[in-house]
Amino acid sequence: ETVMTQSPATLSVSPGERATLSCRASQSVSNNVAWYQQKPGQAPRLLISDASTRATGIPARFSGSGSGTDFTLTISGLQSEDFAVYYCQHYFIWPPTFGGGTKVEIK
Amino acid sequence: EVQLLESGGGLVQPGGSLRLSCSPSGFIFNNYAMSWVRQAPGKGLEWVSDVSTGGDSTFYAGSVKGRFTISRDNSKNTLYLQMNSLRADDTAVYYCAKSLWEGATKRGLLASWGQGTLVIVSS
Repeated sequence: ETVMTQSPATLSVSPGERATLSCRASQSVSNNVAWYQQKPGQAPRLLISDASTRATGIPARFSGSGSGTDFTLTISGLQSEDFAVYYCQHYFIWPPTFGGGTKVEIK
Repeated sequence: EVQLLESGGGLVQPGGSLRLSCSPSGFIFNNYAMSWVRQAPGKGLEWVSDVSTGGDSTFYAGSVKGRFTISRDNSKNTLYLQMNSLRADDTAVYYCAKSLWEGATKRGLLASWGQGTLVIVSS
């Protein structure tokens, strides 16, 4: 199976700053990568699909990039509601797998 | 508005069985592949299983293959996960999730998630 590795595990960022989260696939997954946000006690929420397409209702401060094996989620101008855990996931082949997550915390 | 409501979780002894259900609303259930994803306490997300629109195509994670069975009843608008031979490491919140696109397109891309149901396997 394709292993998705996220870094860093924890990212400390001040409100208003930019956060850059990385995700690397163990083999090429083309652009079949999604990013999800999860807050404590809540279900994950889809942010980005196809590596760079924002889901419905997702603010423009969230952007995704990458293809092949290396992917990035950038959150520009972090707001208080953005502090959460973020997961990347590929859906290129079965089984779809998730990364281990990056926790974005307040610095 | 899409809603997914899971039920059926609870405390079960090792070796026991449970059946989870997911009741969707706000979309045409028959048109979307559906999945179960789980999250152990304090851990990340793990794909469990997925079923096609008609129920004839299913996939399972290696960790549950042969023990779990996913199914759907489109006439009753319900998704199921039958879990047998449960082990302690099956303890998790189980989420029901809907694919973003209709049909077989990118089945693994999950647009909507329920709030989850907690399964605890313990003696």
